[in-house]
Amino acid sequence: AQKITQTQPGMFVQEKEAVTLDCTYDTSDPSYGLFWYKQPSSGEMIFLIYQGSYDQQNATEGRYSLNFQKARKSANLVISASQLGDSAMYFCAMREPNNAGNMLTFGGGTRLMVKP
Amino acid sequence: NAGVTQTPKFRVLKTGQSMTLLCAQDMNHEYMYWYRQDPGMGLRLIHYSVGEGTTAKGEVPDGYNVSRLKKQNFLLGLESAAPSQTSVYFCASSEKLAGGPLHGELFFGEGSRLTVL
Repeated sequence: AQKITQTQPGMFVQEKEAVTLDCTYDTSDPSYGLFWYKQPSSGEMIFLIYQGSYDQQNATEGRYSLNFQKARKSANLVISASQLGDSAMYFCAMREPNNAGNMLTFGGGTRLMVKP
Repeated sequence: NAGVTQTPKFRVLKTGQSMTLLCAQDMNHEYMYWYRQDPGMGLRLIHYSVGEGTTAKGEVPDGYNVSRLKKQNFLLGLESAAPSQTSVYFCASSEKLAGGPLHGELFFGEGSRLTVL
């Protein structure tokens, strides 16, 4: 079974509007970490935001916020006031405890395209 | 501040040829990883290392070998390349997170695009 599912292969958003990128996850551990990365066309992976399963509040970093709904096992990324530079691939990832290598498991990604 | 550096950035191989991808990090991280990225499949872990001299298999290890002779370097080898290994390869590193929080992002290199004909 997929541990991280991103159901939107591609999305369009108008510049200056907000957009939500979906991410659902599957784990039986009560403790886990959720990450979002951005991959622009240049190819590098840029860390955006982190949410811990026990964090009381939803994570925010500038224009990025994480809509964390634990009961639904979803960790959607919200980008406010979209900019042309937000056009990129976005990956959701999870780290589970008892993970000898501290590795991240990634979803398939969502390609976001911002229209001027 | 270089971070994680991968060489080469691009390579074209013929089926059956061998090659090695080199990853170097200057952040004194304990953990290093090799992922491959394929369209629609995100990043999948090939091998990883939790310290100098140690390696372990990830999700898709077949056809690859790795070595971590020095803490700062993590090598990925293809002994006999196949077209199915055409992909973009990413090296990453992270601090050791023994116990404690699950935070601690992976730091990635810029990727190496490999084409096997």
